[in-house]
Amino acid sequence: EAGVAQSPRYKIIEKRQSVAFWCNPISGHATLYWYQQILGQGPKLLIQFQNNGVVDDSQLPKDRFSAERLKGVDSTLKIQPAKLEDSAVYLCASSDVGGFAFFGQGTRLTVV
Amino acid sequence: AQSVTQLDSQVPVFEEAPVELRCNYSSSVSVYLFWYVQYPNQGLQLLLKYLSGSTLVESINGFEAEFNKSQTSFHLRKPSVHISDTAEYFCAVSGVGGAQKLVFGQGTRLTINP
Repeated sequence: EAGVAQSPRYKIIEKRQSVAFWCNPISGHATLYWYQQILGQGPKLLIQFQNNGVVDDSQLPKDRFSAERLKGVDSTLKIQPAKLEDSAVYLCASSDVGGFAFFGQGTRLTVV
Repeated sequence: AQSVTQLDSQVPVFEEAPVELRCNYSSSVSVYLFWYVQYPNQGLQLLLKYLSGSTLVESINGFEAEFNKSQTSFHLRKPSVHISDTAEYFCAVSGVGGAQKLVFGQGTRLTINP
């Protein structure tokens, strides 16, 4: 089966610009996660969707980050405006009900 | 809330030597435990998991991990490593049941020297 698809793979932007990442989960997976992985750290959950509803966004910096999952399939994560400390790899993962998370290859964001 | 501590940020070993990557967790509820591997410029791949039953779990490429409830540990071991095992390894914990979020440790960078 096809894995979790993410794009772009790499993105370089200047601070205060905006950026968006896209994720297409494994077909049929109801749960979708966005994680932020800062260099030298483990991934940290930003937001979890169940179908198109938000389950957990307690660690999402809502003043600048937003995410949506229209129709319960694809998802986009947006940062506006970006800060230097947002430089990280953004990982998307999906799981089916009762299943385990499968990760995409990630989007490496560099804010200069 | 759960947390994970990986006790070593870097572990250098020689090829064909044994290795142990240490992981301790904290949780007030029952947990599932996982080890993920991340090769350079790639996403996370599930290496092995403990859900219930036998406390010793194995992966297809020779790694094993043992769940120790009394010591709240889930250490990863391999009796003989290869150059291709060079990667970052992450221990993670989740609550029991489906579609639970993962809480990750800081990661351990395993470097294999020839």
